[in-house]
Amino acid sequence: DIQMTQSPASLSASLGEAVSIECLASEGISNDLAWYQQKSGKSPQLLIYAASRLQDGVPSRFSGSGSGTRYSLKISGMQPEDEADYFCQQNYKYPLTFGSGTKLEIK
Amino acid sequence: EVQLQQSGAELGKPGTSVRLSCKVSGYNIKSAYIHWVNQRPGKGLEWIGRIDPANGNTIYAEKFKTKATLTADPSSNTAYMQLSQLKSDDTAIFFCTMAVDFPGVMDAWGQGASVTVSS
Repeated sequence: DIQMTQSPASLSASLGEAVSIECLASEGISNDLAWYQQKSGKSPQLLIYAASRLQDGVPSRFSGSGSGTRYSLKISGMQPEDEADYFCQQNYKYPLTFGSGTKLEIK
Repeated sequence: EVQLQQSGAELGKPGTSVRLSCKVSGYNIKSAYIHWVNQRPGKGLEWIGRIDPANGNTIYAEKFKTKATLTADPSSNTAYMQLSQLKSDDTAIFFCTMAVDFPGVMDAWGQGASVTVSS
């Protein structure tokens, strides 16, 4: 199985601050990487797929990048509504696997 | 608008089974894959398996091969997951999700169904 190592486990950011979350795959996944946002008590929502493609309706302050085994999610300026858990997920091969998650809070 | 409406919370005794449902509106499930994901209390997301409702083909994570059974009824646009031989560590929230454009990318999610296993 492909292991997804996500970091950091938690972070806090001030409003307007840029944020970055990383995901490292145990083998190359050819940009088959998605990011999901899960707000407290809600189901996850797709933010980014194919490593860098923004899902319809997702604010442009979110962006994804990376290649091979290393990928990142960036928020260009933290907003109150961005406080949530974030998960990466590889869809390169089955079984699909998720990172352990990053809890993002407002400082 | 695509919506996935899951059945309600379940309370099951150890050794019994429960069946969760996921009714999709706004999209024909025969044109998508339905995945199931769980989340144990305070933990991350874990992929259980997926079904292709067009032909019933399934793929499971190894640890769920004898635990979960995925089915789908295209005539009612509904997917199901049966969990058998319940144990306390099966207690979790279970999400159904739909992958439309890419087989492993979960575009839409149900609201989640809580399963609590307790005697």
